[in-house]
Amino acid sequence: TQLLEQSPQFLSIQEGENLTVYCNSSSVFSSLQWYRQEPGEGPVLLVTVVTGGEVKKLKRLTFQFGDARKDSSLHITAAQPGDTGLYLCAERSGAQKLVFGQGTRLTINP
Amino acid sequence: ETGVTQTPRHLVMGMTNKKSLKCEQHLGHNAMYWYKQSAKKPLELMFVYNFKEQTENNSVPSRFSPECPNSSHLFLHLHTLQPEDSALYLCASSHLGGVEQYFGPGTRLTVT
Repeated sequence: TQLLEQSPQFLSIQEGENLTVYCNSSSVFSSLQWYRQEPGEGPVLLVTVVTGGEVKKLKRLTFQFGDARKDSSLHITAAQPGDTGLYLCAERSGAQKLVFGQGTRLTINP
Repeated sequence: ETGVTQTPRHLVMGMTNKKSLKCEQHLGHNAMYWYKQSAKKPLELMFVYNFKEQTENNSVPSRFSPECPNSSHLFLHLHTLQPEDSALYLCASSHLGGVEQYFGPGTRLTVT
């Protein structure tokens, strides 16, 4: 089973700052998904990346898939308190199986 | 109701109790999933059901017994649990073969 490593585990920054979190694996991803989980809720899918080098944007969030498809990053510009949450990356392992990383717990302080 | 709902949201049970978690999806999906999310481990897939048939059991102990009476409902029957089973139990659904899974809010389970 592929292991996904996310870094950092915890990140606390001030509102307005920029940040980047990472998801890495020793193996090639078939595809990669990023989720955000807010306290008391289930994860919500943000994006799916499939092609090496792919860049997707979702408002202030920019997702990048490494050329070799072994790593991915999520960059947030001008972070806001509403961005607070647990950011999870996940890879499809088989037809319906998702393998998740441990997550990055992000806190944006007003 | 919309999306994926789970009840109860919180549950405290003793090790000798029997309880059930319920999940319902209102998205017209035909695949449903149980996941476990604990503090020290990544989110883990437990069971997968396609069209009411179990297609994946990720080496889950028999004290967890899933039931899927139809494509919209999924239960997790619990008995003789251990304190280390305390976790957030999440239900999800998707179209069969779909890349997107939609999660419910979870049941926070505490075993005393």
